[in-house]
Amino acid sequence: GEDVEQSLFLSVREGDSSVINCTYTDSSSTYLYWYKQEPGAGLQLLTYIFSNMDMKQDQRLTVLLNKKDKHLSLRIADTQTGDSAIYFCAPLSGSSNTGKLIFGQGTTLQVKP
Amino acid sequence: ETGVTQSPTHLIKTRGQQVTLRCSSQSGHNTVSWYQQALGQGPQFIFQYYREEENGRGNFPPRFSGLQFPNYSSELNVNALELDDSALYLCAIGQLYGYTFGSGTRLTVV
Repeated sequence: GEDVEQSLFLSVREGDSSVINCTYTDSSSTYLYWYKQEPGAGLQLLTYIFSNMDMKQDQRLTVLLNKKDKHLSLRIADTQTGDSAIYFCAPLSGSSNTGKLIFGQGTTLQVKP
Repeated sequence: ETGVTQSPTHLIKTRGQQVTLRCSSQSGHNTVSWYQQALGQGPQFIFQYYREEENGRGNFPPRFSGLQFPNYSSELNVNALELDDSALYLCAIGQLYGYTFGSGTRLTVV
């Protein structure tokens, strides 16, 4: 079945770069999303990448996709304390109208001042 | 403000009871999905509605059911509540370039 794996915890210093990694099993995923979840809140869409792209940059965020290895990463430049949250990668499994997002356990990012 | 509203925000129910959770969006989309997020876990797909028909379902029993209305608002119904149903329930409106989630309903079953 579909599965997503992420490391559970990452700690960085304010101002450093953070890299959150994700591996997934569904090679047919056409869209892959990154979501952020703050304590007690819903999911906030950060960015996405289409499966025919290798890289996408969006302000402080850089997404890298290695489709062959089914590996996705999110780099946050100049990490701030406000970036502390849980980060989920979520490949879309299925078509745009019938698909579902597959989530792993998420990576908790801790940013130290 | 995500534009997706869920109600209620918190709810406490007793085992065996039934519950209805609601979701609406400002802009109206013809696809709505529901997810269950247990504490410390990632969201799990429950089901999806497209133009008022269920068109995808995750590994959840039939006591989880839903509706989508002509105005694209949606309900999630859970019958015969179990303790393990305690979770954050999220709805998402379907957009290819990013599914937009509501803030969720925190359900506690005691």
